[in-house]
Amino acid sequence: DSGVTQTPKHLITATGQRVTLRCSPRSGDLSVYWYQQSLDQGLQFLIQYYNGEERAKGNILERFSAQQFPDLHSELNLSSLELGDSALYFCASSATTGNTEAFFGQGTRLTVV
Amino acid sequence: QQQVKQSPQSLIVQKGGISIINCAYENTAFDYFPWYQQFPGKGPALLIAIRPDVSEKKEGRFTISFNKSAKQFSLHIMDSQPGDSATYFCAASRNNDMRFGAGTRLTVKP
Repeated sequence: DSGVTQTPKHLITATGQRVTLRCSPRSGDLSVYWYQQSLDQGLQFLIQYYNGEERAKGNILERFSAQQFPDLHSELNLSSLELGDSALYFCASSATTGNTEAFFGQGTRLTVV
Repeated sequence: QQQVKQSPQSLIVQKGGISIINCAYENTAFDYFPWYQQFPGKGPALLIAIRPDVSEKKEGRFTISFNKSAKQFSLHIMDSQPGDSATYFCAASRNNDMRFGAGTRLTVKP
């Protein structure tokens, strides 16, 4: 168990809908990262937050947004969902913004039908 | 734009053999190079990592070789075991802004 909790584990929704994925980082970790993993692609970095502030942005679509709350949990909001958004979404956390081990959650599998 | 290129995409090795996975990066600002191991249904977990001030790091059967001038690094798994069958991701990072390779699916045949 990495200590990173993601909910829900599975999500099935229709095209055009909006969903929210939740991540609770390891106790004390200030950095949260979101990744998308599709079947035929590796881990695509979406966005990073550090202590409530956006730190880095990757290949995140405009339909997607994220935030990190004062209690350090983070949410990834996906809207106007398309079939191609079906993927595993991982959250990871680390202690600082420096290069330290990032711990991954078990992921949320999103299926858009 | 893919900042980290990983090969091969898949690899089949006999039990006891050596598995070698290669990665190349573009951004010379990267200063931390971890390898992650992912089993089906699980999130990636850190296997071993190296910083560019050393050329090799060994932990048990796992070794990272790092060539700073070529901007390449590789993972060697010695005495590969069926339990090593998983997907392996290399990554390059600066300030934990981590970019992953596409992954290598390793199958170790008994």
